[in-house]
Amino acid sequence: NAGVTQTPKFQVLKTGQSMTLQCAQDMNHEYMSWYRQDPGMGLRLIHYSVGAGITDQGEVPNGYNVSRSTTEDFPLRLLSAAPSQTSVYFCASSYSSPTGARGYTFGSGTRLTVV
Amino acid sequence: DAKTTQPPSMDCAEGRAANLPCNHSTISGNEYVYWYRQIHSQGPQYIIHGLKNNETNEMASLIITEDRKSSTLILPHATLRDTAVYYCIVRPGLSGNTPLVFGKGTRLSVIA
Repeated sequence: NAGVTQTPKFQVLKTGQSMTLQCAQDMNHEYMSWYRQDPGMGLRLIHYSVGAGITDQGEVPNGYNVSRSTTEDFPLRLLSAAPSQTSVYFCASSYSSPTGARGYTFGSGTRLTVV
Repeated sequence: DAKTTQPPSMDCAEGRAANLPCNHSTISGNEYVYWYRQIHSQGPQYIIHGLKNNETNEMASLIITEDRKSSTLILPHATLRDTAVYYCIVRPGLSGNTPLVFGKGTRLSVIA
């Protein structure tokens, strides 16, 4: 049981490049979310999904796209990287009901630097 | 619009109980209180959650006031490894698509 797996762990991009951050979970969780955390700051929600085929925007969605074609995977795409997107990105998943559940499980993060 | 209010920082002596307060005066009847913590640069970790009854697990205890407008997370015997930022979050439980939204949390420093 791997939990939430994020790849890559580290990435350096040049301004204007695009890339996809991968997130996979093997717990059959309905909810999945992407957060970013800037140095010394709290977590801000980018996009989230309540099930396969359903996504919605969070607090800071601009510059990012997501899709949820399967329950297991929730990739985050950076369309044209900007230095302001330098951050640590966390993926999380959860059952839709908290009863008896353990809340959200977070991945270990992807540290992205845009130069 | 923050739904919870937490002190920005607290200190606790190692081996003593750490009591972390949280105000959530606008909590709705269907909203649960969740606590997470984030140890330096790691992903947040679930600690405990509750609706109206006090809860205890292997990590902590959660005390919710009778009017549900505030709660306290208790780490009974704090260790240096409990140094982290602790987040109190309210969120609808059994229904709705509301995601987990983090505030600024409380930075707990456990001191030897």
